[in-house]
Amino acid sequence: DQQVKQNSPSLSVQEGRISILNCDYTNSMFDYFLWYKKYPAEGPTFLISISSIKDKNEDGRFTVFLNKSAKHLSLHIVPSQPGDSAVYFCAHQGGKLIFGQGTELSVKP
Amino acid sequence: DGGITQSPKYLFRKEGQNVTLSCEQNLNHDAMYWYRQDPGQGLRLIYYSQIVNDFQKGDIAEGYSVSREKKESFPLTVTSAQKNPTAFYLCASPRVGPGELFFGEGSRLTVL
Repeated sequence: DQQVKQNSPSLSVQEGRISILNCDYTNSMFDYFLWYKKYPAEGPTFLISISSIKDKNEDGRFTVFLNKSAKHLSLHIVPSQPGDSAVYFCAHQGGKLIFGQGTELSVKP
Repeated sequence: DGGITQSPKYLFRKEGQNVTLSCEQNLNHDAMYWYRQDPGQGLRLIYYSQIVNDFQKGDIAEGYSVSREKKESFPLTVTSAQKNPTAFYLCASPRVGPGELFFGEGSRLTVL
């Protein structure tokens, strides 16, 4: 059974600090891992992805780390900004796209 | 300006009524998807269509129906058989990269 878990429903961070959002998965056959960002009453938008052959991918303030031995994925946002406040979903693509439950990030000025 | 348009954005219905949510895309994409978002449960796949006149059930298809008569349109009907229809519904279509989806703005359905 393919499972994706985001065990922290919420995270609060001070502006300028690092935000770390975590995601665990169970199926090692996934090919791609993705992060989506969602504001209230809007559709999610694709943020960043990483292939299972890599362990890091960086795009500006956003870096995704993949630890295959631990079956763990994390998204780092540095420095965090108030506009980053949103719900973040991790997702795994390996046949079909499976989403985690989401983590609501709040960045306080 | 290419995109996915969902309507209505907000919808209220009484128990026992069917309701149809519209999804239109001008991206010329073959594939279209319907997801449901509930608090604390992420996004769950209801139905998907890879090509016109063809569609498949997703993980939570019970109580829903779809049609795909035109490439641009993929309407979702929430029937009275859906036990807990109050949710945020999202229509999506694949982008270039694997797993990358382009989402519409969503439709919030509330059953009174």
